[in-house]
Amino acid sequence: GENVEQHPSTLSVQEGDSAVIKCTYSDSASNYFPWYKQELGKGPQLIIDIRSNVGEKKDQRIAVTLNKTAKHFSLHITETQPEDSAVYFCAASISYNFNKFYFGSGTKLNVKP
Amino acid sequence: EAGVVQSPRYKIIEKKQPVAFWCNPISGHNTLYWYRQNLGQGPELLIRYENEEAVDDSQLPKDRFSAERLKGVDSTLKIQPAELGDSAVYLCASSGPGQGAPEQYFGPGTRLTVT
Repeated sequence: GENVEQHPSTLSVQEGDSAVIKCTYSDSASNYFPWYKQELGKGPQLIIDIRSNVGEKKDQRIAVTLNKTAKHFSLHITETQPEDSAVYFCAASISYNFNKFYFGSGTKLNVKP
Repeated sequence: EAGVVQSPRYKIIEKKQPVAFWCNPISGHNTLYWYRQNLGQGPELLIRYENEEAVDDSQLPKDRFSAERLKGVDSTLKIQPAELGDSAVYLCASSGPGQGAPEQYFGPGTRLTVT
């Protein structure tokens, strides 16, 4: 099956700086890549996603890039704010089995005011 | 619109005891997932339902775990008997019909502690 690896496991940035979280995947058939934000005591919440026919997608301060050749995708958060502090998970879904998701191990982001 | 509802939010039991978790998905969502999330890890799929049919239960420890989704709406996940290693957060998620990869919506989870 698919294997998704996520780095770094923890990331600390100063408020206003940018944060980048990277994920790699193993199955070239994967073609949907969502990112989730999980706050303490809550379930993961979808914040942005990208499909394999697109190289980059932006939504205000967050963006995701995808490199299908290298099989990696990244989450970029600009102008970080303390409320961005949370655990972020990447995931991959395989084209022939859209409803099955494989998750990375998470990145704990701490934005220092 | 209400999100995915789970209960209870927290459960503490002694090992060898049974426990059950309940999930009510978003109205109209035909796909329901149960995940287990260990501390510091991403969610791992236990079972996925398409309506009332379990279409992927390959990761469900069937000797002690069972699940049902009668009438294709809400679902129950049961563990009997519980073991210390079952301590984790159990997440329920749902997604709606449509073409292409669906967006999953997660509930708040049930934090299980087995002592």
